[in-house]
Amino acid sequence: SQTIHQWPATLVQPVGSPLSLECTVEGTSNPNLYWYRQAAGRGLQLLFYSVGIGQISSEVPQNLSASRPQDRQFILSSKKLLLSDSGFYLCASAGTDTQYFGPGTRLTVL
Amino acid sequence: AQSVAQPEDQVNVAEGNPLTVKCTYSVSGNPYLFWYVQYPNRGLQFLLKYITGDNLVKGSYGFEAEFNKSQTSFHLKKPSALVSDSALYFCAVSQWGNTPLVFGKGTRLSVIA
Repeated sequence: SQTIHQWPATLVQPVGSPLSLECTVEGTSNPNLYWYRQAAGRGLQLLFYSVGIGQISSEVPQNLSASRPQDRQFILSSKKLLLSDSGFYLCASAGTDTQYFGPGTRLTVL
Repeated sequence: AQSVAQPEDQVNVAEGNPLTVKCTYSVSGNPYLFWYVQYPNRGLQFLLKYITGDNLVKGSYGFEAEFNKSQTSFHLKKPSALVSDSALYFCAVSQWGNTPLVFGKGTRLSVIA
């Protein structure tokens, strides 16, 4: 079975600072990869998904970006964080029909 | 467009009683349906899925769900609730399996001893 790693686990950043969150996957090849954001412990918002290296689809236009430099590596970035970027960021991986999630990164922007 | 509705924000049940968490969906074609559970400050854990076949699907931790095509529902059930089942539950749907999931807003289950 696949394992999804995310780091850091928690992050506190000032407004206007850059961001880089990393997700790596073990136990599968050529997965579809996803970034979600969860606000206030409830609904999940799909931010980006990728079907292969260098292929990124953006679901919500905003000041975040994603990259997939390797098959099992997915990075979420921002050049300048906003207060509204605070939330719980989840990476997910799908080999066939089921998505599996990483442990998440709690981001607080002050 | 796909959508999922979880009509209850909160479900309270006594330990040992049966529990049901409701989910209805809307999708073109045959749905791929999923249930996930989330404990505080943790990622989502996969519970079970319906792709095809038997309408009653069994999953992890004694949970099961029944696919009802005519009512477009996929309710999560457990015969006897445990306090440790208290968590946030998400229903999700996709149209062709390996496509982005659409999630419901989540239902918070509280099992009281």
